[in-house]
Amino acid sequence: DTEVTQTPKHLVMGMTNKKSLKCEQHMGHRAMYWYKQKAKKPPELMFVYSYEKLSINESVPSRFSPECPNSSLLNLHLHALQPEDSALYLCASSQEVIAEGGTQYFGPGTRLTVL
Amino acid sequence: QKEVEQNSGPLSVPEGAIASLNCTYSDRGSQSFFWYRQYSGKSPELIMSIYSNGDKEDGRFTAQLNKASQYVSLLIRDSQPSDSATYLCARGGYSSASKIIFGSGTRLSIRP
Repeated sequence: DTEVTQTPKHLVMGMTNKKSLKCEQHMGHRAMYWYKQKAKKPPELMFVYSYEKLSINESVPSRFSPECPNSSLLNLHLHALQPEDSALYLCASSQEVIAEGGTQYFGPGTRLTVL
Repeated sequence: QKEVEQNSGPLSVPEGAIASLNCTYSDRGSQSFFWYRQYSGKSPELIMSIYSNGDKEDGRFTAQLNKASQYVSLLIRDSQPSDSATYLCARGGYSSASKIIFGSGTRLSIRP
């Protein structure tokens, strides 16, 4: 089973709202990732957690705040977003940490629209 | 030079033919390579992973890796309309500072 789940599937929010995206995996994977993907572009890495610790932050604006409450869960807290932040937000996980070149499995994504 | 390069396409292939997707990479330290299929509006789905030089076959899909030439390819035999999608080539990380890098993707269209 290589399932990564994400909620919600769709989210519409105003620029003053606070919302959270959730990601869950029960495969015992040691690394979890957040990606942002715009139309016709490849996924763009935002954050990497290895063993529940933030290991990579790709200079993401502070209006995006990741959290890893435990080894199975990953959250992305959103606050004061801009319309250009509208995108598909993807969560992924891998058995190996990033330095081991492990296979990443993606969740279905959350389609975010910022008005 | 992009770290992972793919022809953006679209690549149009008749149904039943072999579709050949190509990818080159620049970092010789790369050890793992992946092909993902992505339908419009959906998330990437892993098709193949390959770590060693040579061919790796899985059903209608064959991945080929040539580390000397820094070249990865994906062959799809007996192409079906359902294979129409964007195919992302990626190279895996190999150090604490080296993360997975995606190519920009090749759009494949299978015409009936």
